[in-house]
Amino acid sequence: NAGVTQTPKFQVLKTGQSMTLQCAQDMNHEYMSWYRQDPGMGLRLIHYSVGAGITDQGEVPNGYNVSRSTTEDFPLRLLSAAPSQTSVYFCASRYGTSGTGDTQYFGPGTRLTVL
Amino acid sequence: AQTVTQSQPEMSVQEAETVTLSCTYDTSESNYYLFWYKQPPSRQMILVIRQEAYKQQNATENRFSVNFQKAAKSFSLKISDSQLGDTAMYFCAFNENDMRFGAGTRLTVKP
Repeated sequence: NAGVTQTPKFQVLKTGQSMTLQCAQDMNHEYMSWYRQDPGMGLRLIHYSVGAGITDQGEVPNGYNVSRSTTEDFPLRLLSAAPSQTSVYFCASRYGTSGTGDTQYFGPGTRLTVL
Repeated sequence: AQTVTQSQPEMSVQEAETVTLSCTYDTSESNYYLFWYKQPPSRQMILVIRQEAYKQQNATENRFSVNFQKAAKSFSLKISDSQLGDTAMYFCAFNENDMRFGAGTRLTVKP
């Protein structure tokens, strides 16, 4: 049981490049989400999904795209990287989809630097 | 939208002593969940404790306990008998539909 996995762990991009951060979970969780963590700002929600084929925006969605074709996978795409997207990115999943006290499990994070 | 405020960016405590981390939140809902997460230097997010809003009894997990004041919208974390391994960032989080986090408190336990 791997839990929530993320790849890569580290990435350096040049401004304007695109890339996809991968996230997968093997716990059959319906809810998955992406956060970015910046110093002094905690974790901010980028996008989330309550099931395959359903996604929605969080607090800071601009510059990011997501899709959810399977229950297991929830990739995050940066279409044209900007220095403001330099951050640590976390993927998370939980069983319940709304108003729940279910434990949210986090991946190990991806440190992204945009030059 | 709900907001979560942690007013203490940094705190320190001597080993074996007790420390309390503060958190306030804002919501118009009556039922919701509150959490404290720990992030050690490894960067992994670890659930410490959770509280359901309609339960009046404060949650306890070993050395960790909360003081939940619903009317005041306050949710503080008390760590008793602090250990060096408690050194970490601590995040307060609020879950209504999606989980929102405070800015965090960096706790250092000194030997």
